[in-house]
Amino acid sequence: QLQLVQSGAEVKKPGASVRVSCKASGYTFTDYQIHWVRQAPGQGLEWMGRINPNSGDTNYAQKFQGRVTMARDTSITTAYMELTRLTSDDTAVYFCARVSKPYYAKTGGEFDPWGQGTLVTVSS
Amino acid sequence: DIVMTQSPLSLPVTPGEPASISCRSSQSLLFRNGNNYLDWYLQKPGQSPQLLIFLGSNRASGVPDRFSGSGSGTDFTLKISRVEAEDVGVYYCMQTLQSPLTFGGGTKVEIK
Repeated sequence: QLQLVQSGAEVKKPGASVRVSCKASGYTFTDYQIHWVRQAPGQGLEWMGRINPNSGDTNYAQKFQGRVTMARDTSITTAYMELTRLTSDDTAVYFCARVSKPYYAKTGGEFDPWGQGTLVTVSS
Repeated sequence: DIVMTQSPLSLPVTPGEPASISCRSSQSLLFRNGNNYLDWYLQKPGQSPQLLIFLGSNRASGVPDRFSGSGSGTDFTLKISRVEAEDVGVYYCMQTLQSPLTFGGGTKVEIK
């Protein structure tokens, strides 16, 4: 069935990098954009950026420019989000989410489904 | 960036009673195609967010009809006609009109 399964929890030291994966199944991977959203403990949702798995084109929030890289491997229908130069402020649950309509539909941008989330803890 | 403002922050509700959440955007979310690029999500405790309403007023697949979305431009409302215990959680609005996509701060719905 349609689902996004993310990699497991990570513990990193300040200054390190983390890569989170998002394995897609149940649909044509290259037809739907994948977005990344994070949620700090007890806080709201924050959009990080998106990738078009068909072209590899990306669009990042200004806040993360220079520190985030989103990529995909179409052969294994998996999207990745790498965040570098981690600080304690990056401690959060990171979600991947698929846009519910194919990129060529050019209407709406709602997310459905979401991955289960990956907790990244940054601590010395 | 488009700023999304939700109210109230917290909403104690009685099962069977209606509930309403407001979401306002700092810029109009109405696109020239007539769609409002505003979605609603519910994040139940310990879970990922789930889509409730897209493009302002369209219920997502499988969403009970007690949920409805309305509004246009900069003012939007999510209504629950009769709250059930399973509706507890944090509700978020999100705009997808322009990058960066932005979320409201969330409204926590809990049973009285």
